[in-house]
Amino acid sequence: RKEVEQDPGPFNVPEGATVAFNCTYSNSASQSFFWYRQDCRKEPKLLMSVYSSGNEDGRFTAQLNRASQYISLLIRDSKLSDSATYLCVVPYSGNTPLVFGKGTRLSVIA
Amino acid sequence: SAVISQKPSRDICQRGTSLTIQCQVDSQVTMMFWYRQQPGQSLTLIATANQGSEATYESGFVIDKFPISRPNLTFSTLTVSNMSPEDSSIYLCSVMNTEAFFGQGTRLTVV
Repeated sequence: RKEVEQDPGPFNVPEGATVAFNCTYSNSASQSFFWYRQDCRKEPKLLMSVYSSGNEDGRFTAQLNRASQYISLLIRDSKLSDSATYLCVVPYSGNTPLVFGKGTRLSVIA
Repeated sequence: SAVISQKPSRDICQRGTSLTIQCQVDSQVTMMFWYRQQPGQSLTLIATANQGSEATYESGFVIDKFPISRPNLTFSTLTVSNMSPEDSSIYLCSVMNTEAFFGQGTRLTVV
């Protein structure tokens, strides 16, 4: 069964805060993982890919724990522009098809 | 990267009618994917459109309701047939290489 489960939202945090989202997946054979960002009324866009234990890009860090089958996304020094829905995405057969989590909504408040 | 042009961006349709959504990609791709995103929900894969063969549908989606065309490696259409209000949703096409790229989405409202 293809399942990707995410933290329920919404997360409301002040500017400058650090926030973390978790995502669990059911297919232990999955090799690559993605975090996508979706702004309101827009299509999803890739935020980060995770192929090994983790990945870091500026204020964003993604970590993978294969033993426990979860992926996390950490956002440091939150900005107002970080407000969006963050989707955890796991391919279930090579690179396709992609299975999307329901998303975690983040609101960064001034 | 890939740039996908999807249209229409939105439409309001009468129940019982059909709507065809088009996606044009700026490069040749083997597979194109069609997703549905219902209000407040994540993306659900409808089908995979393969050039030169019939589309592969996911559980819960059938060809009579969502016929798909894939006439070449850069273009695909999805038709939402005999629409009901439950079909009101955002429909997205997508392609993949190292990451998934999406069209801008079609926001469909059935009244």
